Amino acid sequence: DTEVTQTPKHLVMGMTNKKSLKCEQHMGHRAMYWYKQKAKKPPELMFVYSYEKLSINESVPSRFSPECPNSSLLNLHLHALQPEDSALYLCASSQDGLAGDTQYFGPGTRLTVL
Amino acid sequence: AQTVTQSQPEMSVQEAETVTLSCTYDTSESDYYLFWYKQPPSRQMILVIRQEAYKQQNATENRFSVNFQKAAKSFSLKISDSQLGDAAMYFCAYFQGGSEKLVFGKGTKLTVNP
Repeated sequence: DTEVTQTPKHLVMGMTNKKSLKCEQHMGHRAMYWYKQKAKKPPELMFVYSYEKLSINESVPSRFSPECPNSSLLNLHLHALQPEDSALYLCASSQDGLAGDTQYFGPGTRLTVL
Repeated sequence: AQTVTQSQPEMSVQEAETVTLSCTYDTSESDYYLFWYKQPPSRQMILVIRQEAYKQQNATENRFSVNFQKAAKSFSLKISDSQLGDAAMYFCAYFQGGSEKLVFGKGTKLTVNP
């Protein structure tokens, strides 16, 4: 099973809302990632969790708050977002987060901020 | 900082023919890994092929093969016998040993004409 699942598939929220994105994998991977992807652009790394600890935060605004409750689950909590935050949010996982590891991507959550 | 350059924003190929997508990268490191990912329209990103820099032999996966020229820092992807399902955005990516970060190129949009 090489599947990474993400919910919801689509999300529309207002600038004052609080919502969460969820990502799950059951491959026994110990590294999980959040990426933001704008249309026709490559993914931009936001956060990396390695063994359930935050190891990389790419200077992401505090209105994005990641959480890794256990090794299979990754959340991204959203609060007071801006319209420019509208994008496809991708989750990925890899075996250990090491350089040679393949990252497996989920289908993404398409977020629209009104 | 490492950079990955994909000089062809768009390419097209006739079904059953061969196409080559180019990728160059800039690094002073000797330990790194290179990847090609495919992202079909509205579908999730999947790994096409992976290459370890220390390996001389070019990686192949069925109809997909790479031409890895380490001295020239070039990593092109050849797709043989192109199929309609190969139509996608293709991203070249670099991962340095000891790092936790995958660096993507800007992508090449491949169209396959019937």
